[in-house]
Amino acid sequence: DAGVTQSPTHLIKTRGQQVTLRCSPKSGHDTVSWYQQALGQGPQFIFQYYEEEERQRGNFPDRFSGHQFPNYSSELNVNALLLGDSALYLCASSSRGQDTEAFFGQGTRLTVV
Amino acid sequence: GNSVTQMEGPVTLSEEAFLTINCTYTATGYPSLFWYVQYPGEGLQLLLKATKADDKGSNKGFEATYRKETTSFHLEKGSVQVSDSAVYFCALINNYGQNFVFGPGTRLSVLP
Repeated sequence: DAGVTQSPTHLIKTRGQQVTLRCSPKSGHDTVSWYQQALGQGPQFIFQYYEEEERQRGNFPDRFSGHQFPNYSSELNVNALLLGDSALYLCASSSRGQDTEAFFGQGTRLTVV
Repeated sequence: GNSVTQMEGPVTLSEEAFLTINCTYTATGYPSLFWYVQYPGEGLQLLLKATKADDKGSNKGFEATYRKETTSFHLEKGSVQVSDSAVYFCALINNYGQNFVFGPGTRLSVLP
């Protein structure tokens, strides 16, 4: 079992560009959540996807959007990148109703220059 | 709203010293509580959890007890090793289908 897989592991983008991050959940999981972890801080919840729909959203602007595919994998898109978007982006997967059994991926380190 | 507070770091200890990292929370209802560990350059690994009051989570020599009366979930280890050097996050999840709320993290450095 590969666990939660995120790609790419590192990414450098220029301010104003757009970026797409990808997440494959652990086998058997159908719910994907995304978190942003700025340097030296705890992860902050961005949004959660289940049945290909956004079910919950944290306090992030509309520049942050996502998608979930029929195979439960997910993408996080960020438009009009700002320097402050530089962070580690973590994906967590779980089975619906079993959020206490969530698994986290290794994250994608995004640097905006 | 839900929130987690944990002791400021960094915490520096000698090998075999006793470790305590304090964590307190504010939440509605009856949250589940977690400790996650993050090694340099890596994602989050679940260290231990407790899903109801008075439960004790334990793993790899680490322990934490869910204290509802003091809204606390302090992490302890009797004898730390250099390999325990990492950042430790206290977190909660509240109710069905909700998201994790994390504390700011405590960096632990263990010196040989």
